[in-house]
Amino acid sequence: ETGVTQTPRHLVMGMTNKKSLKCEQHLGHNAMYWYKQSAKKPLELMFVYSLEERVENNSVPSRFSPECPNSSHLFLHLHTLQPEDSALYLCASSQAVRGDEQFFGPGTRLTVL
Amino acid sequence: GESVGLHLPTLSVQEGDNSIINCAYSNSASDYFIWYKQESGKGPQFIIDIRSNMDKRQGQRVTVLLNKTVKHLSLQIAATQPGDSAVYFCAESQTGANSKLTFGKGITLSVRP
Repeated sequence: ETGVTQTPRHLVMGMTNKKSLKCEQHLGHNAMYWYKQSAKKPLELMFVYSLEERVENNSVPSRFSPECPNSSHLFLHLHTLQPEDSALYLCASSQAVRGDEQFFGPGTRLTVL
Repeated sequence: GESVGLHLPTLSVQEGDNSIINCAYSNSASDYFIWYKQESGKGPQFIIDIRSNMDKRQGQRVTVLLNKTVKHLSLQIAATQPGDSAVYFCAESQTGANSKLTFGKGITLSVRP
């Protein structure tokens, strides 16, 4: 266990559905991240939060909406997704946003029908 | 842009042999490097890291070598075991405020019994 949990582990949704992914870290870290992992591609950084403030949004479509209510919790709200959004969504945390070790959760396997 | 990559997509080794996984990076200003292991159905897990003021670092059965002259990073696994079968990622960063890790694509290590 890395101290980062994600729910649900698997999610199947239609293109018109609205769902949310949840991430929680028990490490006392101040930074949290959302990544998208697709087959045969490097991890794609989506969002970065530092002390509950969004510090990066890597040109992610607005159908993905992050929320960070406190430094331990991170959500990714999903609506009107496309089939190409099917992927493994990974949450990570680190002590700060400074380029050192990140601790990853197990991911949510998302399938959009 | 800067990139981090792996030379081969897959590596097959005999159980008990040593494994060497290579990684090239292009940002000469990078000063932190890390290897992650990702098993099927799990998120990436930290293996070992190294900073640019070192050229070698050893862990339990793993060694990371850094050659800054040619911008090359390698992960050596001694006496490879079936449990080592996974996807391995290298990542690099130029540490500092708001810096993030840049990940390579990943290489699959398959251990033959």
